[in-house]
Amino acid sequence: GAVVSQHPSRVICKSGTSVKIECRSLDFQATTMFWYRQFPKQSLMLMATSNEGSKATYEQGVEKDKFLINHASLTLSTLTVTSAHPEDSSFYICSAKTGLAGGPEETQYFGPGTRLLVL
Amino acid sequence: GQNIDQPTEMTATEGAIVQINCTYQTSGFNGLFWYQQHAGEAPTFLSYNVLDGLEEKGRFSSFLSRSKGYSYLLLKELQMKDSASYLCAGKDSNYQLIWGAGTKLIIKP
Repeated sequence: GAVVSQHPSRVICKSGTSVKIECRSLDFQATTMFWYRQFPKQSLMLMATSNEGSKATYEQGVEKDKFLINHASLTLSTLTVTSAHPEDSSFYICSAKTGLAGGPEETQYFGPGTRLLVL
Repeated sequence: GQNIDQPTEMTATEGAIVQINCTYQTSGFNGLFWYQQHAGEAPTFLSYNVLDGLEEKGRFSSFLSRSKGYSYLLLKELQMKDSASYLCAGKDSNYQLIWGAGTKLIIKP
């Protein structure tokens, strides 16, 4: 099956610093990747859709200057949380689409997630 | 608007059967997904339905009725490791996933 990796799995940083999270599709090419955030005991919240070679599409309420997304290749997307604050502490999960592009058979496969704690 | 509804929490007994329901309202429809998410982990894909009927995959089955905007996930021979949240997601006309809030399933011995 499709495998998506994320790095790091856990990060603790000081307030005001930036953190980069990598998402890789290991055995398939993903033209589209997604970044989600999930607070404890809450549902997944889509932050942005990342398309290879173009600018990411951000969901309403998500600051694009704070959450920088780069999708430089078909297997790698990165999310950088800039000037992190304690309220940014959350579980960040990426997913990648596989299957026929645009078709209904597409399935999202998730990375293992990155737990961010901002002190 | 678009909406996915599923129960917040369910409890079942080890070895039993449980059905988790999901109703959806999406702009267009291109399939219904079920994912399993254990606490502190990312979701894992369970099933995909785009045509009416039952799809069986081992102990798990998923059903879809497009006319009723309804799906369910059926788990048989429940095991303690099945304790998790089960997420229902519908794909709309733009092939975007609309996520439900998830159903937390608690399995008791």
